[in-house]
Amino acid sequence: GAVVSQHPSWVICKSGTSVKIECRSLDFQATTMFWYRQFPKQSLMLMATSNEGSKATYEQGVEKDKFLINHASLTLSTLTVTSAHPEDSSFYICSARYSPGRSYEQYFGPGTRLTVT
Amino acid sequence: GNSVTQMEGPVTLSEEAFLTINCTYTATGYPSLFWYVQYPGEGLQLLLKATKADDKGSNKGFEATYRKETTSFHLEKGSVQVSDSAVYFCALSFSGGYNKLIFGAGTRLAVHP
Repeated sequence: GAVVSQHPSWVICKSGTSVKIECRSLDFQATTMFWYRQFPKQSLMLMATSNEGSKATYEQGVEKDKFLINHASLTLSTLTVTSAHPEDSSFYICSARYSPGRSYEQYFGPGTRLTVT
Repeated sequence: GNSVTQMEGPVTLSEEAFLTINCTYTATGYPSLFWYVQYPGEGLQLLLKATKADDKGSNKGFEATYRKETTSFHLEKGSVQVSDSAVYFCALSFSGGYNKLIFGAGTRLAVHP
């Protein structure tokens, strides 16, 4: 149980275009999902926390208008990278949690590798 | 600020060798500490955790003890297997709010037969 999927697993897009990444909790409902970004040989950096039905909370330094997050249902959150540029190329990882009242555990997706040319 | 520092990898070991991956943290307050593992092509999985000083987390033969005096949470395993080859992440989190995780850089472990 507690499986999180991401789609696509990898994507290549041209500079200036937008790309959407989906994060789904397959066998549980997630009131909270997290989006991380990981550079090669570096930590996962939290970008934003998204709660179902409300606006995402972004970490300091993350551009809200560039990284649009939507958490429209209890099983789906999406991250849209708008007007992508080569510096946005990275590995994006989402995680999901059951509810604020459960343990600290987050369940992670396998990640999406974005390459902007 | 709050941060986690891990030893750099890759760590290369022979099967049945003893494993230690060092992890130290800087935190204001008393965080919970975690080890996550990422196998090739898969998402991060919680390996073990400890929520207060002197707690020992253990799972699948791995252990780590929360040492407040040295602000450390080193991961150990007495005899590694090839199937343990993965990337290991140390992380911390505070209770309350949405339990945001702060990760170390990750340490890649390669175990050879």
